[in-house]
Amino acid sequence: EIVLTQSPGTLSLSPGERATLSCRASESVSSYYLAWYQQRPGQAPRLLIYAASSRATGIPDRFSGSGSGTDFTLTISRLEPEDFAVYYCQQYGSSPRFSFGQGTKLEI
Amino acid sequence: EVQLVQSGGRLVRPGGSLRLSCAASGFTFEDYGMSWVRQAPGKGLEWLSGVNWNGGVTGYADSVKGRFTISRDNARKSVYLQLNSLRVEDTAFYYCVRGWEELYYFDNWGQGALVTVSS
Repeated sequence: EIVLTQSPGTLSLSPGERATLSCRASESVSSYYLAWYQQRPGQAPRLLIYAASSRATGIPDRFSGSGSGTDFTLTISRLEPEDFAVYYCQQYGSSPRFSFGQGTKLEI
Repeated sequence: EVQLVQSGGRLVRPGGSLRLSCAASGFTFEDYGMSWVRQAPGKGLEWLSGVNWNGGVTGYADSVKGRFTISRDNARKSVYLQLNSLRVEDTAFYYCVRGWEELYYFDNWGQGALVTVSS
């Protein structure tokens, strides 16, 4: 079972700053199978990044994803007030077929 | 616009059953696999089950295998999750999501349905 560990658990930043969120896998994950989601309070999650670095439809270009193997990163270049939320990484693998990291809370 | 509209969440007793429904619109339903993901209050996300485009192939997380059953009706553009033998720890928001093993990610989410298992 591949376990995804996200760090930090909580990240405190200000609008306009750069955010770097980490997702580390217990085994190598194909970049094609790594995605990132944003969840604002009281809302369903929404897809930000798929295949490690491809932005989903309608996602601003201040969001970018990178990485390979066991280390993946979500970067938000200039934080906007609406970016303060919880972020999850997700991988597709064998069993369970899909798993999520525990989340990083991005707070002001 | 892709929409996934869920229904069926409610309070149920331990050991009870419930069926969640999800009605899709805004895309060609039979072109996509569908899945269910849940989130216990204040906790993270857990994938539960997925079904391929025609309902012929399904998959389950170990935590729900044998208790939950996913199905779909392409004529009604709907996907369902039958929850049996419910436990207190099944209390969560349940999300219908578009995507399974043809996408490897979930690109659209329903609004969520709260299932509370309590005596």
